[in-house]
Amino acid sequence: QSALTQPPSASGSPGQSVIISCTGTSSDIGGYNYVSWFQQHPGKAPKLIIYEVTKRPSGVPDRFSGSKSGNTASLTVSGLQTEDEADYYCSSYAGSSNLVFGGGTKLTVL
Amino acid sequence: QVQLVQSGSELKPPGASVKVSCKASGYTLTSIGINWVRQAPGQGLEWMGWINTKTGNPTYAQDFTGRIVFSLDTSVSTAYLQISSLRAEDTAVYYCARVAVAGIWGNLVYWGQGTLVTVSS
Repeated sequence: QSALTQPPSASGSPGQSVIISCTGTSSDIGGYNYVSWFQQHPGKAPKLIIYEVTKRPSGVPDRFSGSKSGNTASLTVSGLQTEDEADYYCSSYAGSSNLVFGGGTKLTVL
Repeated sequence: QVQLVQSGSELKPPGASVKVSCKASGYTLTSIGINWVRQAPGQGLEWMGWINTKTGNPTYAQDFTGRIVFSLDTSVSTAYLQISSLRAEDTAVYYCARVAVAGIWGNLVYWGQGTLVTVSS
């Protein structure tokens, strides 16, 4: 199972929007609606912010939204805030009871 | 409330084995499977696999087949990750995690605090 492909870095100014992509194949992202996104601050455990492509767990601000087109999923962070500066990881179900993560994207709020 | 509490940091020499525990509370361990995730220093998340806590059946990710074993002790609501023949590249933080609802892949809403395993002579 190859890791999903994410850009290593992304950035934006406070108040702006940023989009982070996550590219897979028809065997993972393209084949299932089980894409999740996680936010991880340094030294902390990952936090789920999007699941099943577009759904937000309770307590996650609606500034975070997810989408998918073909084999690529995207996370949009609107109205960037300084606390959004973190690493972001996508994941997807890959069939046969397997999950795969992306390589991660470091989001910098300028 | 659901909690996953992991065992403390470990320092092991190359070639040794380590067993990391993940104690579940606030729910019945056998109701939802436990996933294991590795994060090497400065690196990304890697899914190692999961164990069906109802049947005890493990699924190992392709990259981790061979030296790892998932196990359970339901009497103490605890899942375990054992890694044998440790090498320096096994140095990482290991997390256990579970989904909110069984059958929803990737919905890893509950995480342990992580266990740092350092392999060094």
